[in-house]
Amino acid sequence: ETGVTQTPRHLVMGMTNKKSLKCEQHLGHNAMYWYKQSAKKPLELMFVYNFKEQTENNSVPSRFSPECPNSSHLFLHLHTLQPEDSALYLCASSQIGAQETQYFGPGTRLLVL
Amino acid sequence: AQTVTQSQPEMSVQEAETVTLSCTYDTSESDYYLFWYKQPPSRQMILVIRQEAYKQQNATENRFSVNFQKAAKSFSLKISDSQLGDAAMYFCAYRISNFGNEKLTFGTGTRLTIIP
Repeated sequence: ETGVTQTPRHLVMGMTNKKSLKCEQHLGHNAMYWYKQSAKKPLELMFVYNFKEQTENNSVPSRFSPECPNSSHLFLHLHTLQPEDSALYLCASSQIGAQETQYFGPGTRLLVL
Repeated sequence: AQTVTQSQPEMSVQEAETVTLSCTYDTSESDYYLFWYKQPPSRQMILVIRQEAYKQQNATENRFSVNFQKAAKSFSLKISDSQLGDAAMYFCAYRISNFGNEKLTFGTGTRLTIIP
């Protein structure tokens, strides 16, 4: 595997379900991100982890719970979601430093029924 | 707050022709980075080109080049010799140049169609 991978690629869940999204980066980076991409809206940054520590929570509802056990893995735990949470969830990684670029995974398409 | 505006929701170009996608941004910072990302139907967000604000020279990557006008806060992307594989959503993004502050601000995107 190379780059940034995400699983699952598609997920359908009910509002009472609990599920998790997984992201893994194979680039040796030390920062990871979760973004939400909804139709006709700019990408919204949700969470940032630098060296496994959360450094930004962009006013995300508590029904989204991130976890970063090490610098290569990032999870997004989902529970009691709402239909408006249906979106494409993108993971990205970068090497901390002023010039480094974020590299994105293919995303998980989430549908909440 | 920084904002990024892409005023062209959709653009189309004939194969082998040249197209320019526009992007403007608002910031009070003097040192920052600008990016163009491409998102094809596969959904993978792919970096196309990057520009450092302190560099006067416009960045180029093969068929892709930018026109960076710092005073006007404009950052357009020119695609030369358009190919079918260039069809995608194109997003302009901004990031402050600050160690440890990695937040990217994105525009709403421009959907580019290539006409065979």
